[in-house]
Amino acid sequence: AQSVAQPEDQVNVAEGNPLTVKCTYSVSGNPYLFWYVQYPNRGLQFLLKYITGDNLVKGSYGFEAEFNKSQTSFHLKKPSALVSDSALYFCAVRDNGDSSYKLIFGSGTRLLVRP
Amino acid sequence: SQTIHQWPATLVQPVGSPLSLECTVEGTSNPNLYWYRQAAGRGLQLLFYSVGIGQISSEVPQNLSASRPQDRQFILSSKKLLLSDSGFYLCAWSPRQPVLKFAEAFFGQGTRLTVV
Repeated sequence: AQSVAQPEDQVNVAEGNPLTVKCTYSVSGNPYLFWYVQYPNRGLQFLLKYITGDNLVKGSYGFEAEFNKSQTSFHLKKPSALVSDSALYFCAVRDNGDSSYKLIFGSGTRLLVRP
Repeated sequence: SQTIHQWPATLVQPVGSPLSLECTVEGTSNPNLYWYRQAAGRGLQLLFYSVGIGQISSEVPQNLSASRPQDRQFILSSKKLLLSDSGFYLCAWSPRQPVLKFAEAFFGQGTRLTVV
């Protein structure tokens, strides 16, 4: 069965510094991986996805993610953090087992960017 | 363009009362539809998904049920709410066509349910 792990409950970083939010996955077959962001009391917003091809995926708001097959990781990164990036971030993997295409989410990582 | 509507935004209900949350999608047809619950502002738990009208799959046993009376309408219900049903409920959709199976899922704005 597919699963996703986000080992950090919270990541703290100073504004202007690079940030990394970690994600590891376990899938059977090809992994289809996604990152979402959630602001308080709002729905999830899509940031980026990896389907195939280049291991470095660029997404919205300056975020990017690096797919590493040997380490089964898909870490979210940004070269220079903004205070407005403070939010809850979710990594997800698509279940390839059936036609539901449902997403299996990690537990989430809260990002706090200090001014 | 496609949009997803979810209502109400907030709801306070007494224990034992019924529940009906509605979600509709516009601008697409034959979507896959999902209900997720988020407890305590953290992880997302998939409750139900649907690949077609009248087709509902339940991921976890619970006090809730789901229905899909129309292609782009997904309803989450309960006959008698429990305190443990409190949480943030999110509806989502994704394209069902196999050629689009790599597409991301799109989420509604959520319903904050408080059972008192």
